[in-house]
Amino acid sequence: QKEVEQNSGPLSVPEGAIASLNCTYSDRVSQSFFWYRQYSGKSPELIMSIYSNGDKEDGRFTAQLNKASQYVSLLIRDSQPSDSATYLCAVNTNSGNTPLVFGKGTRLSVIA
Amino acid sequence: DAGVIQSPRHEVTEMGQEVTLRCKPISGHNSLFWYRQTMMRGLELLIYFNNNVPIDDSGMPEDRFSAKMPNASFSTLKIQPSEPRDSAVYFCASSFGPDIQYFGAGTRLSVL
Repeated sequence: QKEVEQNSGPLSVPEGAIASLNCTYSDRVSQSFFWYRQYSGKSPELIMSIYSNGDKEDGRFTAQLNKASQYVSLLIRDSQPSDSATYLCAVNTNSGNTPLVFGKGTRLSVIA
Repeated sequence: DAGVIQSPRHEVTEMGQEVTLRCKPISGHNSLFWYRQTMMRGLELLIYFNNNVPIDDSGMPEDRFSAKMPNASFSTLKIQPSEPRDSAVYFCASSFGPDIQYFGAGTRLSVL
């Protein structure tokens, strides 16, 4: 059973701080890792993808991957109230045409 | 591209009625996914198709649920008969291969 685990939160951070969201996965052969953001009442939207160990930066967002520890994280710098949402971690083994496995998400609240 | 298009956006029905949800994937995508999302269970994969062929329907909760994909640009998810516990948001997503999935806006289903 492939599993993706996330702390459900809520994670509360003050405006301007760094928000750190974490995710662990069970399948060692996982190859692709994604972070989706979901605002209340909306659909999930992709914000970051990462495929190799290390860091990947895109604006205020940094994804970090450690395959040895089966751990992926998302850092949001200079957090804004508009970042308040649920963040879903998704993992794919890229084996055949298997679908993404999603975590249940972490709810982030950025306090102005 | 208009993205993944789902209809209807909201559906209110009475227990025992048939419900049909519709999805048009992004043109050129060859994989289509149906998800159900609730507060308690998060995002659950119900069924997915590759090249219009159902690959894994193990997430379909019961025989009351069925899904079809008659061509590359259209899919339906049908619930017959519907029950109050089917109330949830149903998302359709599409991708090209086993990679990034793009979600539709969802259908919010309420079964009274």
